[in-house]
Amino acid sequence: DIVMTQSPDSLAVSLGERATINCKSSQSVLSSSNNKNSLAWYQQKPGQSPKLLIYWASTRESGVPDRFSGSGSGTDFTLTISSLQAEDVAVYYCQQYYSSPDTFGQGTKLEIK
Amino acid sequence: EVQLVESGGGLVQPGGSLRLSCVASGFTLSNYWMHWVRQAPGKGLEWVSHINSAGSTTNYANSVKGRFTIARDTAKNTLYLQMNSLRVEDTAVYYCAKGGITGLGCWGQGTLVTVSS
Repeated sequence: DIVMTQSPDSLAVSLGERATINCKSSQSVLSSSNNKNSLAWYQQKPGQSPKLLIYWASTRESGVPDRFSGSGSGTDFTLTISSLQAEDVAVYYCQQYYSSPDTFGQGTKLEIK
Repeated sequence: EVQLVESGGGLVQPGGSLRLSCVASGFTLSNYWMHWVRQAPGKGLEWVSHINSAGSTTNYANSVKGRFTIARDTAKNTLYLQMNSLRVEDTAVYYCAKGGITGLGCWGQGTLVTVSS
Protein backbone atom coordinates (compact mmCIF):
# COMPACT_ATOMS: atom_id res chain seq x y z
CA ASP A 1 0.00 0.00 0.00
CA ILE A 2 1.11 3.56 -0.67
CA VAL A 3 1.58 5.46 2.59
CA MET A 4 0.71 9.16 2.57
CA THR A 5 2.38 11.35 5.19
CA GLN A 6 1.33 14.95 5.76
CA SER A 7 3.20 17.68 7.57
CA PRO A 8 2.64 19.42 9.82
CA ASP A 9 -0.12 17.72 11.83
CA SER A 10 -1.43 21.15 12.80
CA LEU A 11 -0.82 24.67 11.69
CA ALA A 12 -1.84 28.13 12.96
CA VAL A 13 -1.69 31.01 10.49
CA SER A 14 -2.77 34.63 10.75
CA LEU A 15 -5.63 35.89 8.62
CA GLY A 16 -4.38 37.04 5.24
CA GLU A 17 -1.15 35.09 5.54
CA ARG A 18 -0.03 32.06 3.51
CA ALA A 19 -0.63 28.51 4.71
CA THR A 20 1.36 25.60 3.34
CA ILE A 21 0.64 21.91 3.87
CA ASN A 22 2.91 19.15 2.63
CA CYS A 23 2.13 15.60 1.58
CA LYS A 24 4.63 12.87 0.79
CA SER A 25 3.83 9.50 -0.75
CA SER A 26 5.89 6.37 -0.14
CA GLN A 27 6.11 5.79 -3.89
CA SER A 28 5.48 7.84 -6.99
CA VAL A 29 1.87 8.52 -7.97
CA LEU A 30 2.83 9.86 -11.39
CA SER A 31 1.13 7.93 -14.16
CA SER A 32 3.30 7.30 -17.20
CA SER A 33 0.21 6.89 -19.37
CA ASN A 34 -0.99 10.48 -19.01
CA ASN A 35 1.88 12.18 -17.15
CA LYS A 36 -0.49 13.19 -14.38
CA ASN A 37 -0.15 12.74 -10.63
CA SER A 38 -3.09 10.88 -9.09
CA LEU A 39 -3.17 13.08 -6.00
CA ALA A 40 -6.14 14.94 -4.55
CA TRP A 41 -6.65 17.39 -1.68
CA TYR A 42 -9.79 17.57 0.46
CA GLN A 43 -11.09 20.06 2.99
CA GLN A 44 -13.23 18.94 5.92
CA LYS A 45 -14.84 21.61 8.06
CA PRO A 46 -16.13 20.69 11.54
CA GLY A 47 -19.30 18.62 11.36
CA GLN A 48 -19.22 18.42 7.56
CA SER A 49 -18.34 15.87 4.92
CA PRO A 50 -15.04 16.22 3.08
CA LYS A 51 -14.97 18.40 -0.01
CA LEU A 52 -12.71 17.96 -3.02
CA LEU A 53 -10.45 20.95 -3.58
CA ILE A 54 -7.71 19.82 -5.95
CA TYR A 55 -7.20 16.81 -8.25
CA TRP A 56 -4.36 15.76 -10.55
CA ALA A 57 -2.21 17.44 -7.87
CA SER A 58 -2.79 20.94 -9.22
CA THR A 59 -6.24 21.23 -10.88
CA ARG A 60 -8.79 23.15 -8.83
CA GLU A 61 -12.26 21.67 -8.61
CA SER A 62 -14.99 23.88 -10.03
CA GLY A 63 -16.04 26.55 -7.57
CA VAL A 64 -12.94 26.35 -5.38
CA PRO A 65 -11.48 29.82 -4.71
CA ASP A 66 -8.24 30.57 -6.52
CA ARG A 67 -6.42 31.21 -3.24
CA PHE A 68 -6.15 27.41 -3.06
CA SER A 69 -3.41 25.90 -5.20
CA GLY A 70 -1.67 22.55 -5.44
CA SER A 71 1.79 21.71 -6.66
CA GLY A 72 4.33 18.93 -6.75
CA SER A 73 5.03 15.74 -8.64
CA GLY A 74 6.14 12.19 -8.05
CA THR A 75 6.20 11.80 -4.29
CA ASP A 76 6.16 15.34 -2.90
CA PHE A 77 3.15 17.62 -2.98
CA THR A 78 2.01 20.90 -1.47
CA LEU A 79 -1.33 22.58 -0.84
CA THR A 80 -1.04 26.34 -0.51
CA ILE A 81 -3.65 28.81 0.66
CA SER A 82 -2.31 32.17 -0.48
CA SER A 83 -4.28 34.41 1.87
CA LEU A 84 -5.99 32.66 4.75
CA GLN A 85 -9.65 33.45 5.34
CA ALA A 86 -11.64 32.63 8.47
CA GLU A 87 -13.75 30.13 6.53
CA ASP A 88 -10.64 28.10 5.67
CA VAL A 89 -10.41 26.70 9.21
CA ALA A 90 -10.63 22.96 8.59
CA VAL A 91 -8.74 19.71 8.43
CA TYR A 92 -7.04 19.09 5.08
CA TYR A 93 -6.28 15.65 3.67
CA CYS A 94 -4.27 14.47 0.71
CA GLN A 95 -5.22 11.25 -1.05
CA GLN A 96 -3.57 9.13 -3.71
CA TYR A 97 -5.77 7.37 -6.23
CA TYR A 98 -2.89 5.96 -8.28
CA SER A 99 -3.23 2.44 -6.95
CA SER A 100 -5.66 0.49 -4.82
CA PRO A 101 -6.16 0.77 -1.95
CA ASP A 102 -6.65 4.48 -2.24
CA THR A 103 -4.96 6.01 0.78
CA PHE A 104 -5.28 9.26 2.69
CA GLY A 105 -2.80 11.26 4.66
CA GLN A 106 -3.45 11.59 8.39
CA GLY A 107 -4.77 15.13 8.02
CA THR A 108 -3.53 18.61 8.87
CA LYS A 109 -5.60 20.81 11.16
CA LEU A 110 -5.50 24.45 10.11
CA GLU A 111 -6.39 27.14 12.63
CA ILE A 112 -6.26 30.90 12.89
CA LYS A 113 -3.39 32.39 14.87
CA GLU B 1 -28.19 18.47 -8.38
CA VAL B 2 -25.76 15.64 -7.69
CA GLN B 3 -26.49 14.16 -4.28
CA LEU B 4 -25.68 11.09 -2.19
CA VAL B 5 -27.73 10.11 0.84
CA GLU B 6 -26.56 7.34 3.17
CA SER B 7 -28.69 5.39 5.62
CA GLY B 8 -28.63 2.19 7.63
CA GLY B 9 -26.25 3.11 10.40
CA GLY B 10 -26.95 2.40 14.04
CA LEU B 11 -25.88 0.56 17.15
CA VAL B 12 -24.87 -3.08 16.73
CA GLN B 13 -23.16 -5.60 18.99
CA PRO B 14 -19.73 -7.01 18.19
CA GLY B 15 -20.08 -9.87 15.75
CA GLY B 16 -23.27 -8.45 14.32
CA SER B 17 -24.18 -7.28 10.83
CA LEU B 18 -25.44 -4.12 9.22
CA ARG B 19 -26.19 -3.02 5.66
CA LEU B 20 -25.59 0.56 4.64
CA SER B 21 -27.33 2.14 1.67
CA CYS B 22 -26.40 5.16 -0.42
CA VAL B 23 -29.01 6.56 -2.79
CA ALA B 24 -27.65 8.60 -5.67
CA SER B 25 -29.55 11.37 -7.42
CA GLY B 26 -28.62 13.73 -10.23
CA PHE B 27 -26.36 11.20 -11.89
CA THR B 28 -26.28 7.54 -12.91
CA LEU B 29 -24.35 5.60 -10.29
CA SER B 30 -23.30 2.88 -12.71
CA ASN B 31 -21.35 5.38 -14.82
CA TYR B 32 -18.86 5.99 -12.02
CA TRP B 33 -16.55 4.25 -9.63
CA MET B 34 -18.21 4.41 -6.23
CA HIS B 35 -16.45 4.33 -2.88
CA TRP B 36 -17.05 3.89 0.82
CA VAL B 37 -14.81 5.89 3.16
CA ARG B 38 -15.05 5.88 6.95
CA GLN B 39 -13.96 8.15 9.77
CA ALA B 40 -13.66 6.92 13.34
CA PRO B 41 -14.63 9.47 16.01
CA GLY B 42 -12.00 12.21 16.14
CA LYS B 43 -9.82 10.45 13.59
CA GLY B 44 -8.88 10.81 9.92
CA LEU B 45 -10.33 9.39 6.74
CA GLU B 46 -9.92 5.71 5.90
CA TRP B 47 -10.81 4.34 2.48
CA VAL B 48 -12.90 1.17 2.84
CA SER B 49 -13.98 -0.13 -0.56
CA HIS B 50 -14.78 0.68 -4.15
CA ILE B 51 -16.65 -0.80 -7.09
CA ASN B 52 -15.83 0.07 -10.67
CA SER B 53 -18.30 1.54 -13.13
CA ALA B 54 -18.87 -1.80 -14.85
CA GLY B 55 -19.61 -3.44 -11.52
CA SER B 56 -17.05 -6.11 -12.34
CA THR B 57 -14.28 -5.14 -9.94
CA THR B 58 -14.34 -4.51 -6.22
CA ASN B 59 -11.55 -3.78 -3.79
CA TYR B 60 -11.35 -3.58 -0.03
CA ALA B 61 -9.09 -2.25 2.66
CA ASN B 62 -7.20 -5.03 4.43
CA SER B 63 -8.99 -4.09 7.65
CA VAL B 64 -12.39 -5.11 6.23
CA LYS B 65 -11.50 -7.72 3.60
CA GLY B 66 -13.57 -10.87 3.99
CA ARG B 67 -16.11 -9.14 6.26
CA PHE B 68 -17.52 -6.30 4.12
CA THR B 69 -19.10 -6.51 0.67
CA ILE B 70 -19.79 -3.61 -1.66
CA ALA B 71 -22.62 -3.92 -4.17
CA ARG B 72 -25.01 -1.79 -6.17
CA ASP B 73 -28.53 -1.90 -7.59
CA THR B 74 -28.54 -0.02 -10.87
CA ALA B 75 -32.34 0.01 -11.07
CA LYS B 76 -32.51 1.76 -7.71
CA ASN B 77 -29.38 3.85 -8.35
CA THR B 78 -28.21 2.71 -4.94
CA LEU B 79 -24.87 1.61 -3.51
CA TYR B 80 -24.63 -0.78 -0.59
CA LEU B 81 -22.11 -1.90 1.98
CA GLN B 82 -22.87 -5.19 3.72
CA MET B 83 -20.90 -5.35 6.95
CA ASN B 84 -20.57 -8.66 8.77
CA SER B 85 -18.59 -9.79 11.81
CA LEU B 86 -18.47 -6.20 13.03
CA ARG B 87 -15.79 -5.18 15.50
CA VAL B 88 -15.54 -2.32 17.98
CA GLU B 89 -12.88 -0.77 15.75
CA ASP B 90 -15.39 -0.54 12.87
CA THR B 91 -17.17 2.24 14.78
CA ALA B 92 -17.15 5.25 12.47
CA VAL B 93 -19.10 7.57 10.25
CA TYR B 94 -19.38 5.87 6.87
CA TYR B 95 -19.47 8.04 3.75
CA CYS B 96 -20.23 7.03 0.22
CA ALA B 97 -18.46 9.02 -2.47
CA LYS B 98 -18.59 9.38 -6.23
CA GLY B 99 -15.19 8.70 -7.68
CA GLY B 100 -13.24 8.76 -10.88
CA ILE B 101 -9.90 9.74 -12.28
CA THR B 102 -10.32 13.17 -10.70
CA GLY B 103 -10.72 12.08 -7.10
CA LEU B 104 -13.84 11.83 -4.93
CA GLY B 105 -15.92 14.71 -6.20
CA CYS B 106 -19.15 14.19 -4.29
CA TRP B 107 -19.70 12.85 -0.77
CA GLY B 108 -22.79 11.97 1.19
CA GLN B 109 -23.50 13.34 4.65
CA GLY B 110 -22.43 10.08 6.28
CA THR B 111 -24.11 7.52 8.53
CA LEU B 112 -22.83 6.59 11.98
CA VAL B 113 -22.13 2.97 12.82
CA THR B 114 -21.49 2.18 16.47
CA VAL B 115 -20.28 -1.29 17.43
CA SER B 116 -20.60 -1.82 21.15
CA SER B 117 -21.92 -4.30 23.66
